Amino acid sequence: GQNIDQPTEMTATEGAIVQINCTYQTSGFNGLFWYQQHAGEAPTFLSYNVLDGLEEKGRFSSFLSRSKGYSYLLLKELQMKDSASYLCAVRDRDYKLSFGAGTTVTVRA
Amino acid sequence: IAGITQAPTSQILAAGRRMTLRCTQDMRHNAMYWYRQDLGLGLRLIHYSNTAGTTGKGEVPDGYSVSRANTDDFPLTLASAVPSQTSVYFCASSVIASGGNEQFFGPGTRLTVL
Repeated sequence: GQNIDQPTEMTATEGAIVQINCTYQTSGFNGLFWYQQHAGEAPTFLSYNVLDGLEEKGRFSSFLSRSKGYSYLLLKELQMKDSASYLCAVRDRDYKLSFGAGTTVTVRA
Repeated sequence: IAGITQAPTSQILAAGRRMTLRCTQDMRHNAMYWYRQDLGLGLRLIHYSNTAGTTGKGEVPDGYSVSRANTDDFPLTLASAVPSQTSVYFCASSVIASGGNEQFFGPGTRLTVL
């Protein structure tokens, strides 16, 4: 099974940078995903890591260290619309996802 | 292109009643999933199907059943609803293959069992 931990809440100022950490313990790692979920809406895909290192996608970057069971999502140049929950999810060898409880990010003006 | 749809959007149900949540995708994805999302617990997998004709149990399968008669549809049935099944239910689909094939989520069904 999977055990996935991420902080419950984070607050940051518009234009700033926020880093959301995710640690996991897994049996059969097959990739790590980050999703964004606005209140009352469905989760939407942000990023995917399967090898160690940094993946950059515009204002969002995601990092993975498989040996440490650790990932982070970096949100740069924060905008008000980035206020949402961010979900870390680990995929197993059967292609099933296990999700962390999510980190609610509040962006303040 | 609709992607993935769910029905109903929301439902209030008396305990003990039978209920089927519908999920349809038009992306020809081979895999489909049902999750429930509860405050503080995140998304938990109920049942999944990697291909039409097969299903598997997730983390919290008790009280739920699914079927996968074809590629597009994956209904979730609560045989006799209980208040602890009050939740938001999301259906998702994906391609099963190596690489970053993400899951696409439907808009969700908000279910209240009284």
